[in-house]
Amino acid sequence: EDKVVQSPLSLVVHEGDTVTLNCSYEVTNFRSLLWYKQEKKAPTFLFMLTSSGIEKKSGRLSSILDKKELFSILNITATQTGDSAVYLCAVGALNNAGNMLTFGGGTRLMVKP
Amino acid sequence: DAGVIQSPRHEVTEMGQEVTLRCKPISGHNSLFWYRQTMMRGLELLIYFNNNVPIDDSGMPEDRFSAKMPNASFSTLKIQPSEPRDSAVYFCASSTGDRGSYNEQFFGPGTRLTVL
Repeated sequence: EDKVVQSPLSLVVHEGDTVTLNCSYEVTNFRSLLWYKQEKKAPTFLFMLTSSGIEKKSGRLSSILDKKELFSILNITATQTGDSAVYLCAVGALNNAGNMLTFGGGTRLMVKP
Repeated sequence: DAGVIQSPRHEVTEMGQEVTLRCKPISGHNSLFWYRQTMMRGLELLIYFNNNVPIDDSGMPEDRFSAKMPNASFSTLKIQPSEPRDSAVYFCASSTGDRGSYNEQFFGPGTRLTVL
C-alpha cells in the first residue's frame, strides 16, 4: 500500500524564521510529488516535482526531491503570518488503474507575529 | 476561468436521507477526482474519472456511495442513505492528462456536509 508521511505534524514559529517541512514516501511506480497549501478552504497548488535534485522556487518557498532516499522538503524563508496553513504533500503514482494520488497527513504551520 | 465549481457549498441533512453533491470541472480537463476530508482521516481520494469513465473507485467507503460522470462537464457524488459518520468536506478536483500521466489537480471550494 502506498504511504506518504509528513513531519512534523505541527510547528509554531515567529515571523522571520525559516522552516523546513518534510515528506517521505513509499509508493510503487512513482510519477510525481506535489506540495499544496491549505488555509481555510480548498488546497492550492505550490509545486510539482518529478526529478531529483532540481530545486523549484517561488518567492520565499522552495522545494526539492530526492528520489533515491524517497523524500522531499519544502522550505519557507522569512516566514510571515500569511504562511500559516496546513501544508500537504501528495505523491502521484501509476498503478494498474491509472493515476493515483496519495496525500500525507499534512503539517500545520502557525507563524506568530 | 471559473475554476472547479461545486454545489451546494453547505449541506445539512438528517440520517437516512439521500445526499447529492455536484461538480463542474474546469473546461478542457479530462480527469476528475472526488475527495473527502475529515479531521480524523485527513484527505482521502474516493474515486477518479478519466474521460468520463470511472478508473478507480477503491476509495469509495461502501455501497452507500456512488459517483457518476454523464458528460465531460458534470459529475455527481451520491450518498444513500446518509449517516452521521459521512459528515466531512467533500472536494472535487480536475486535471488534464490521460490515464498513464499525472498533472496538477485544481480543487473546487468543497461541500461541507453535516449529517445529523
